[in-house]
Amino acid sequence: DAGITQSPRHKVTETGTPVTLRCHQTENHRYMYWYRQDPGHGLRLIHYSYGVKDTDKGEVSDGYSVSRSKTEDFLLTLESATSSQTSVYFCAISEFVGTSNYGYTFGSGTRLTVV
Amino acid sequence: EDKVVQSPLSLVVHEGDTVTLNCSYEVTNFRSLLWYKQEKKAPTFLFMLTSSGIEKKSGRLSSILDKKELFSILNITATQTGDSAIYLCAVSTQGAQKLVFGQGTRLTINP
Repeated sequence: DAGITQSPRHKVTETGTPVTLRCHQTENHRYMYWYRQDPGHGLRLIHYSYGVKDTDKGEVSDGYSVSRSKTEDFLLTLESATSSQTSVYFCAISEFVGTSNYGYTFGSGTRLTVV
Repeated sequence: EDKVVQSPLSLVVHEGDTVTLNCSYEVTNFRSLLWYKQEKKAPTFLFMLTSSGIEKKSGRLSSILDKKELFSILNITATQTGDSAIYLCAVSTQGAQKLVFGQGTRLTINP
């Protein structure tokens, strides 16, 4: 693996509770991303980060927040989980050379179930 | 809004068949198109295409990009059961530090 780990791997939580997912990298890559994957939708971007304390929203950011206080860690928080947030969550890392993105390396995913 | 569309969404074939997966895109300032294979867990990188008409090949898999017609195809010849997976297409654009993904094609190879 390219040095990217997600935790936890599986989680079941109740509606209305806060949940935090963690992504940790050892590659010192500047860019980190959170995607969710649902049947029929492929991968949809939630939030991404382009440096410590620098983050931006993706296409499905409502109900999610992120933080990046260190290069190696990118946290995704569901402030008050809802059943529509049941999904598989993938973290990814990327690096750019100049303005060229050479693609992502993905973590193994977190399967989150909100009951 | 940038958009990537894959077809078919699902495909079932017999071992030994040849398959062609499609990816079309509508994006502003295209930079590159990438293909990923996803089995049980994380997607893994297959190809990155930036120039029209140049085929990328890896074993039984090959891919080509048409920047005029805005699409790419991924071919798999002599399919094996181990080729069963979701195949994801993604596009990167100039100045944007993120990929836009299609819905994926779920390929099932029956023995």
